[in-house]
Amino acid sequence: KQEVTQIPAALSVPEGENLVLNCSFTDSAIYNLQWFRQDPGKGLTSLLLIQSSQREQTSGRLNASLDKSSGRSTLYIAASQPGDSATYLCAVGEGAQKLVFGQGTRLTINP
Amino acid sequence: EAGVAQSPRYKIIEKRQSVAFWCNPISGHATLYWYQQILGQGPKLLIQFQNNGVVDDSQLPKDRFSAERLKGVDSTLKIQPAKLEDSAVYLCASSLSNRLYGYTFGSGTRLTVV
Repeated sequence: KQEVTQIPAALSVPEGENLVLNCSFTDSAIYNLQWFRQDPGKGLTSLLLIQSSQREQTSGRLNASLDKSSGRSTLYIAASQPGDSATYLCAVGEGAQKLVFGQGTRLTINP
Repeated sequence: EAGVAQSPRYKIIEKRQSVAFWCNPISGHATLYWYQQILGQGPKLLIQFQNNGVVDDSQLPKDRFSAERLKGVDSTLKIQPAKLEDSAVYLCASSLSNRLYGYTFGSGTRLTVV
């Protein structure tokens, strides 16, 4: 059974810092990995989707990497801003397009 | 492109009552999902539809939860009777039948059972 773990559970950093969020998964037989952002009381917004054959994806200040062999993914946020404060979830895609989520990292950027 | 629509946004019911949630996926998305997100946890898949057929409902508590997808478009998730532990956000998502594309989630329905 696939298990997805995100560390840390919460992170607070000052504005302007670069930061890394970590995601690990137990079964490397995945089709893709997706990072989502969730604001309080809201649904999930897709940030980046990495196919199993890819090593990384970039969108603006965000960069996500995938290492299937080690069961790890990282989300790098450059030059953090207060508007980046949210919960970040990673999810691995397996089987018939099923997503298995981690528990999320709650990120706070302090002005 | 319109997003995934869900209603209601919030619902408060007493335990043992029934409740229903509605979802309208993005037009053309054959796959529809219902996820349950308990506070402080990641979403957990309850049921997955491909058109109007069920692909995976292994984690759906079938003694109290039911779901249907009419004509392969809209979907309804029902809980009867509700328990306190059903308090959660219920998220609907849809996707194309192609792993090259990711999911699109709705805003969710926050259910509180008192």
